[in-house]
Amino acid sequence: SQTIHQWPATLVQPVGSPLSLECTVEGTSNPNLYWYRQAAGRGLQLLFYSVGIGQISSEVPQNLSASRPQDRQFILSSKKLLLSDSGFYLCAWTISGIHEQFFGPGTRLTVL
Amino acid sequence: GNSVTQMEGPVTLSEEAFLTINCTYTATGYPSLFWYVQYPGEGLQLLLKATKADDKGSNKGFEATYRKETTSFHLEKGSVQVSDSAVYFCALKDGTGGFKTIFGAGTRLFVKA
Repeated sequence: SQTIHQWPATLVQPVGSPLSLECTVEGTSNPNLYWYRQAAGRGLQLLFYSVGIGQISSEVPQNLSASRPQDRQFILSSKKLLLSDSGFYLCAWTISGIHEQFFGPGTRLTVL
Repeated sequence: GNSVTQMEGPVTLSEEAFLTINCTYTATGYPSLFWYVQYPGEGLQLLLKATKADDKGSNKGFEATYRKETTSFHLEKGSVQVSDSAVYFCALKDGTGGFKTIFGAGTRLFVKA
């Protein structure tokens, strides 16, 4: 069966520090991968999605970037965090022919 | 463009009350429609889905019917429990082969014992 992992689960970082969040999917090949951010009490904001290795589509211009170095690995990065980057970051996957998305457990990021 | 509008929360109900969370959508073509649920501190889980008009999705006592004539997909449950307290998201994926799912803003439900 398919599973999706995110780490770390919780992260507290100072303003201006770098960020690296990792997402991996098991049990499927060539998934479409997504990064979302959820601010406190708010809905989902799509940040990036990827349909293949090295292919990244950005939805919101900001100080975040994404990479997909392997088929089932999706990384969210920043060189310098802002206070406004605080939130709950969710990774999700789907594959062609399946309509729904499957979400990871999320990473709660607090920037101080 | 495609969009999803759902009723603002929070919704507060007593245990065993009837639940309705309204959801309407705008989309080209024939989208698939979803309800996702998010329990505190967790990621989203698919609750139910419907892929064509007049389909009824159901799971765990929740139901929603795909109404193309009213562009709606309202979530209902006949008798809520405290454990149903969560945030509920209505969503659509259009039928044109796109990669994105459009989510509503979410509705927080509190169920009191």
